[in-house]
Amino acid sequence: DSGVTQTPKHLITATGQRVTLRCSPRSGDLSVYWYQQSLDQGLQFLIQYYNGEERAKGNILERFSAQQFPDLHSELNLSSLELGDSALYFCASSGPGQGADTQYFGPGTRLTVL
Amino acid sequence: AQSVTQLGSHVSVSEGALVLLRCNYSSSVPPYLFWYVQYPNQGLQLLLKYTSAATLVKGINGFEAEFKKSETSFHLTKPSAHMSDAAEYFCAGGGGSNYKLTFGKGTLLTVNP
Repeated sequence: DSGVTQTPKHLITATGQRVTLRCSPRSGDLSVYWYQQSLDQGLQFLIQYYNGEERAKGNILERFSAQQFPDLHSELNLSSLELGDSALYFCASSGPGQGADTQYFGPGTRLTVL
Repeated sequence: AQSVTQLGSHVSVSEGALVLLRCNYSSSVPPYLFWYVQYPNQGLQLLLKYTSAATLVKGINGFEAEFKKSETSFHLTKPSAHMSDAAEYFCAGGGGSNYKLTFGKGTLLTVNP
């Protein structure tokens, strides 16, 4: 158990819909990262937040957005969903420093878009 | 561009045999290198990490990796495979001021009895 929690574990929805994935980092960690794992693209970095502020952006679509709240939990919002958005979404946390350190991963949320 | 390359998407070994999973990184990858393991339907678990303190890094479950700058490699080894080692293994680079991890495509390890 990494100490990073993600909900829900599974999500099944239809094209065009919007979903929210939730992540709680390890106690004391200030950085939260979101990754997408798909068969064709592998593991891709989406976005990072540090203590509520966006720090780095990767291959995140404009239909996707994220935020980190004062209690440090983070949410990844995916809208206008397409079949190709079906993937495993991982959250990771590290910290407390600003420089990237070891990232600890949550169990992931499996999103299926029908 | 940063890249991490894992040679061999699938490696099959017999129980008790040496495990060797290959990873090469581009010179633009920041100095920290990691190996993660992913068991079916689970998240990624850290096996070990290199942070320049020592070129030979020991991890959990008997795994170790050697950093070779001249070869830009960070191969993962285990002297004797166990059935429980069957999983997918990911090499990743990142760290320092570059926050994101760049992952290789992964290597699926199969252990045959």
